[in-house]
Amino acid sequence: EAGVAQSPRYKIIEKRQSVAFWCNPISGHATLYWYQQILGQGPKLLIQFQNNGVVDDSQLPKDRFSAERLKGVDSTLKIQPAKLEDSAVYLCASSQPGTQYFGPGTRLLVL
Amino acid sequence: AQSVAQPEDQVNVAEGNPLTVKCTYSVSGNPYLFWYVQYPNRGLQFLLKYITGDNLVKGSYGFEAEFNKSQTSFHLKKPSALVSDSALYFCAVSRHIFNKFYFGSGTKLNVKP
Repeated sequence: EAGVAQSPRYKIIEKRQSVAFWCNPISGHATLYWYQQILGQGPKLLIQFQNNGVVDDSQLPKDRFSAERLKGVDSTLKIQPAKLEDSAVYLCASSQPGTQYFGPGTRLLVL
Repeated sequence: AQSVAQPEDQVNVAEGNPLTVKCTYSVSGNPYLFWYVQYPNRGLQFLLKYITGDNLVKGSYGFEAEFNKSQTSFHLKKPSALVSDSALYFCAVSRHIFNKFYFGSGTKLNVKP
């Protein structure tokens, strides 16, 4: 069974630029999550989708972050404009009830 | 509010010795508890979970964890550590199987030959 796919794996941008990350979940998983993991910390949920609807985006900085899952399968997370403090690993996860499975993450460095 | 505490930033153990990585949690209602492992430049890999039932949960790679409701703990254990177990370990709690996870800050496990 294929795991959660994410791209790109690494991205370096300058502050105020925009960036987008892509995630393809495990086939059949209706729930998709985006997490932000800052160095030395545990992952923090940014947004949770159930199919193509948003379940929880309470910790998404909506003035600069956006996410979509138009067809209920793959998803994109966008940051515009990026700030230095957005440097982190962005993890995508998908789940069957009870267990979340994570992709390899995208490491973002904002200069 | 839900939260997880991993009181040790780092745990050092000799290969072949037993290991314990500690986790305590706070959640309203019944907790759903998870352990994940993260190797460098990799995503989180699922180890085991407690949903209900037996307090001792067995997972991947010989790991197990014990749910203790009175102490609100879910410590990760392994009888005999391997050098290859060296990694970052995260405990997570959820209020429901569809709810978001709250992660601890992680514990770095170092297993020395």
